[in-house]
Amino acid sequence: ETVLTQSPGTLSLSPGDRANLSCRASQSIRSDYLGWYQQKPGQAPKLLIYGASNRATGIPDRFRGSGSGTDFTLTISRLEPEDFAIYFCQQFAGSPWTFGQGTKVEIK
Amino acid sequence: QVQLQESGPGLVKPSETLSLTCTVSGGYLSNYYWIWIRQTPGKGLEWIGYVYFSGSTNYNPSLESRVTISADTSKNKVSLKLTSVTAADTGVYFCARADLRVAIPAMDVWGKGTTVTVSS
Repeated sequence: ETVLTQSPGTLSLSPGDRANLSCRASQSIRSDYLGWYQQKPGQAPKLLIYGASNRATGIPDRFRGSGSGTDFTLTISRLEPEDFAIYFCQQFAGSPWTFGQGTKVEIK
Repeated sequence: QVQLQESGPGLVKPSETLSLTCTVSGGYLSNYYWIWIRQTPGKGLEWIGYVYFSGSTNYNPSLESRVTISADTSKNKVSLKLTSVTAADTGVYFCARADLRVAIPAMDVWGKGTTVTVSS
């Protein structure tokens, strides 16, 4: 099983700040099979990034995914009020599919 | 646009079977994989398994002995059955859609989720 470890657990930032979220895999993953999701309280996860770096439909360009192998990053260039949420990475590369434990981006 | 809606009992007794349905509207089951995911206090987000519209399935090995996922193309519904439930199965259950045939897959559509509590 591929374990995804996200860091930090919590990121305390202000609107306008830059956020860097890390997702590290326990074994190398093909980039095509790594996604990022945003989840707000009481809602389902929402696809932000697929294939490590491709923005989903309607996702603003302040969200950028990067990385390869075992290290992946989600960068939010300038935080908007609606970006404060929990972010998860997820891999399709091997069975079982797995999710990271999440990074909470909270208002400082 | 395609929408997914999970439904089923919100309360299930220990040792019984959890049965949920995902109703697909605004689209069809054809050519997609239909996935069940749950979010529990103990394990966070956990992939349960998926069914292709044709009926082929793939399950999480940790749940495989208890899980059945099926698709009914005539009713545009996907079903989840989880047997012998315990309190550890309490959580929010989501259905989602993905096209795994493409080079870069993604779970692009999700239902809102349904909360299931296992308790006597």
